Amino acid sequence: EAGVAQSPRYKIIEKRQSVAFWCNPISGHATLYWYQQILGQGPKLLIQFQNNGVVDDSQLPKDRFSAERLKGVDSTLKIQPAKLEDSAVYLCASAHYWVGNGYTFGSGTRLTVV
Amino acid sequence: AQKITQTQPGMFVQEKEAVTLDCTYDTSDQSYGLFWYKQPSSGEMIFLIYQGSYDEQNATEGRYSLNFQKARKSANLVISASQLGDSAMYFCAMSFTGANSKLTFGKGITLSVRP
Repeated sequence: EAGVAQSPRYKIIEKRQSVAFWCNPISGHATLYWYQQILGQGPKLLIQFQNNGVVDDSQLPKDRFSAERLKGVDSTLKIQPAKLEDSAVYLCASAHYWVGNGYTFGSGTRLTVV
Repeated sequence: AQKITQTQPGMFVQEKEAVTLDCTYDTSDQSYGLFWYKQPSSGEMIFLIYQGSYDEQNATEGRYSLNFQKARKSANLVISASQLGDSAMYFCAMSFTGANSKLTFGKGITLSVRP
């Protein structure tokens, strides 16, 4: 079974620029999550999709962050404009409806804003 | 609101010895799941072990076991026979069924295994 694919692996941008991250979940996984992990902290949920609908985006900074999951498969997360404090690892995860035995995470995208 | 607390400073263990990583949680829900993840320096999040709130026995997965004490709201991870490759960050996390299935993570514990 192929894992969760994320790209790019690394990205360096200047503040006020825009950036986009891509995630392809495990085939058949209806639930997709985007997490932000700042250095030295645990991951924090940004947005949760169920198929192509948003379940939870309460911690997504909507003035600059946006996300979509077209056709309930791939997802993109965009930041525009980026701030220095957006420097973090962005993790994508997918799961079956019942996540009793764990999610599957992608390798993450490490974003540095300079 | 649910909360995961990991307060240990960086942990050190001698190779081949056992180590316990502490985790306490707070929730008013009766049905929940507890997870431990390993994050090496490469950054990927590796699932280690899961414990359901209604599971009567402590979960075990190879060298990993979860010491689940429901009344104390603790879910400590025990790693037996530590290996050099166990050096990493370890995160405790919690989730619930249904729409509220997101993982809520603690801040993590750094484990260093000494040869």
